[in-house]
Amino acid sequence: GESVGLHLPTLSVQEGDNSIINCAYSNSASDYFIWYKQESGKGPQFIIDIRSNMDKRQGQRVTVLLNKTVKHLSLQIAATQPGDSAVYFCPEGSGSRLTFGEGTQLTVNP
Amino acid sequence: EPEVTQTPSHQVTQMGQEVILRCVPISNHLYFYWYRQILGQKVEFLVSFYNNEISEKSEIFDDQFSVERPDGSNFTLKIRSTKLEDSAMYFCASSEVWGNQPQHFGDGTRLSIL
Repeated sequence: GESVGLHLPTLSVQEGDNSIINCAYSNSASDYFIWYKQESGKGPQFIIDIRSNMDKRQGQRVTVLLNKTVKHLSLQIAATQPGDSAVYFCPEGSGSRLTFGEGTQLTVNP
Repeated sequence: EPEVTQTPSHQVTQMGQEVILRCVPISNHLYFYWYRQILGQKVEFLVSFYNNEISEKSEIFDDQFSVERPDGSNFTLKIRSTKLEDSAMYFCASSEVWGNQPQHFGDGTRLSIL
């Protein structure tokens, strides 16, 4: 089956610093990519998405970068806040299903 | 902002009993999904549903599971004869269209089988 991998299982940053969360995807035919965050006891929350005809997309304090050549996706969070502490996922889509990996646990230290 | 709502937030059921988990998707969404997350494990796809039919299901979604859209607002997951290993968080999600659009998730129902 396909692999959904993240480079680092945990990331710890200081409040106010920028965070970068990385993701490798396996399906070179993927044309849509999405980031979710999941806080403890809650469901995955949509953050930002990007289509394969773009290599960068910005939201509020977040930027997603897509490098199709190396099948790599990253999420940049500017001025990380305690409320950003969560597990971050970049699930792969196939048909109607999303396949989630283990995610990256982001911890923001005050 | 519209959201997916799930009830109950926690369901405790005896093994072998039937349980129905309820979801109200976002109102203009046409595609509906169920996922589950066993404690400490990954979020796993169960089933997708469109136009009153199952679009896709995973190997987890066996004959003990069924889904239904009983009216214009609710989307339910029924587990017919629960097993201990069905204990998990169950997440409902919905999307406006299929593919290239985000699925929006509810906060889940924690199902505990005793």
